[in-house]
Amino acid sequence: GAVVSQHPSWVICKSGTSVKIECRSLDFQATTMFWYRQFPKQSLMLMATSNEGSKATYEQGVEKDKFLINHASLTLSTLTVTSAHPEDSSFYICSARRLFGSGTRLTVV
Amino acid sequence: QQQVKQSPQSLIVQKGGISIINCAYENTAFDYFPWYQQFPGKGPALLIAIRPDVSEKKEGRFTISFNKSAKQFSLHIMDSQPGDSATYFCAASKGNGGATNKLIFGTGTLLAVQP
Repeated sequence: GAVVSQHPSWVICKSGTSVKIECRSLDFQATTMFWYRQFPKQSLMLMATSNEGSKATYEQGVEKDKFLINHASLTLSTLTVTSAHPEDSSFYICSARRLFGSGTRLTVV
Repeated sequence: QQQVKQSPQSLIVQKGGISIINCAYENTAFDYFPWYQQFPGKGPALLIAIRPDVSEKKEGRFTISFNKSAKQFSLHIMDSQPGDSATYFCAASKGNGGATNKLIFGTGTLLAVQP
């Protein structure tokens, strides 16, 4: 059945480095994917809408140069956190067609 | 106008009891209202969803009640079980739930079902 697969499930990186998170739609194609950020015990906050073949649409207050989104195919969107800092530590979740990935726990040390 | 308000923030229910979570919205353009269940460290999983042309939808132990005039909807979990202990989010969207339309999430309710 249709599944959204997200990888990695957790990652630890050093401050100043970049981290890439992948989101794949399995058994279906997704021209649109969404990226969310969730802090502990809080709701999901939409960061951006990823559009296949075009630029992502970022929500107000989200730095597009820091959170790079690439949607190069109908089944893959990637989120790259550039020059990560401890305040970027969070749970990142992608979504397609109302299905959610299992999330990526990012810890920046 | 884009907010979805959810209550209560947390809820403790005895096994076998009924869990009730409420949500309210302002934007009358919303026309798709899903509920998600999230376990710690996992992504949300779609439980059940409703559109405003019906007042109630039931799937197993989960029921959504929808009041269009009051702009409110609620999730009822019948015969609550310890395995239902999780965080529940309501959400709303425009565009009849189309895959390209973004979801606006409520603030979440942490449900604990005591054995």
